[in-house]
Amino acid sequence: GQQLNQSPQSMFIQEGEDVSMNCTSSSIFNTWLWYKQDPGEGPVLLIALYKAGELTSNGRLTAQFGITRKDSFLNISASIPSDVGIYFCAGTLIQGAQKLVFGQGTRLTINP
Amino acid sequence: GAVVSQHPSRVICKSGTSVKIECRSLDFQATTMFWYRQFPKQSLMLMATSNEGSKATYEQGVEKDKFLINHASLTLSTLTVTSAHPEDSSFYICSARDRRVGYAEAFFGQGTRLTVV
Repeated sequence: GQQLNQSPQSMFIQEGEDVSMNCTSSSIFNTWLWYKQDPGEGPVLLIALYKAGELTSNGRLTAQFGITRKDSFLNISASIPSDVGIYFCAGTLIQGAQKLVFGQGTRLTINP
Repeated sequence: GAVVSQHPSRVICKSGTSVKIECRSLDFQATTMFWYRQFPKQSLMLMATSNEGSKATYEQGVEKDKFLINHASLTLSTLTVTSAHPEDSSFYICSARDRRVGYAEAFFGQGTRLTVV
């Protein structure tokens, strides 16, 4: 099936550092969503993007919908311990499509 | 944001028995709910899409007779794992789409850790 290539797979950073992760695909997406998942929990929606070029912030998080509609990135500024977790990108391929396609996830570890 | 409640959060059952997992949208109506399975350190794998009042649409390779899905109301969908076996042990997560917000945003339940012994 369609896949999103998410990178990096894992990150080990120091508290206070900025983080950047991205998702790319060979297919065009109509929607990009970014989720965070804590161990043993369901994913929590962080940011939703609907327009090519759209740049949206949610606190220290910023995400952008690539102009080509084939990629998106998520930045986290001034990381704190509670940012630890797995971040997933997800998207829909066809307008009104029900299914979300998920990336493989980026596991973020923060050293205090 | 919209709240999705999943119950139980953990369940241990004997091999050969059936287990039912509930997924409820607490403060919105969800015409569409999704069921996922997640293995350790892996991404979410969509099992089926559930539309209220109609039969679920299963992904390729998912046994519909083993994973029974019922979406009887706009706020409740259930997943029943029938005749469970140890290989069915996994983390099962539901999500629901709130028609009032952007059409692609899906909100997830807390997940259910199923262990079959």
